[in-house]
Amino acid sequence: DGGITQSPKYLFRKEGQNVTLSCEQNLNHDAMYWYRQDPGQGLRLIYYSQIVNDFQKGDIAEGYSVSREKKESFPLTVTSAQKNPTAFYLCASQHYPSGTLDYGYTFGSGTRLTVV
Amino acid sequence: QKEVEQNSGPLSVPEGAIASLNCTYSDRVSQSFFWYRQYSGKSPELIMSIYSNGDKEDGRFTAQLNKASQYVSLLIRDSQPSDSATYLCAVNSNYQLIWGAGTKLIIKP
Repeated sequence: DGGITQSPKYLFRKEGQNVTLSCEQNLNHDAMYWYRQDPGQGLRLIYYSQIVNDFQKGDIAEGYSVSREKKESFPLTVTSAQKNPTAFYLCASQHYPSGTLDYGYTFGSGTRLTVV
Repeated sequence: QKEVEQNSGPLSVPEGAIASLNCTYSDRVSQSFFWYRQYSGKSPELIMSIYSNGDKEDGRFTAQLNKASQYVSLLIRDSQPSDSATYLCAVNSNYQLIWGAGTKLIIKP
């Protein structure tokens, strides 16, 4: 089955700690995205990557870092510089189809990060 | 800054009635429009996409697009309690999706 897998589902971070959230897709999608969602709020873009070895900052990149060494993988590191990291983190992938307008995203099941 | 606007709600609809969700967008050259449903604590899932002016029907769901007015809507017929969720409107802009904040829909039995 093709899909996008995020792990872990729940993650607890101590103050001053860096943590890495995993996102893997086997859909052969070109682009990958990381979003943050706070309770009752919409999606805010953290980082995105449209091609291997290249990524761009989104609207709220401060305190986060990413890498895209393989097409299938786009891990997100939440650094100690991110002062309020408690949130629901969503990874998404997107295919660039030729000849259609189907640019929809496929989402993983999310990681809920809590600072303890 | 390209924007997508939705009424945050909550929108309360009796079971069996039609729920109407609306979305406006600012990027005049957008060509792809999407509706996602997000249950509480879960990730968004795609329920409808529309690319041409007019209506597109899929079961109980109908998406409507008016590019001249920069307006997209989603109608849910015969609303069920299981339709209670937040509905996100997304608009393609230069390959990326720009997201509305979502409308919370509550179906009352």
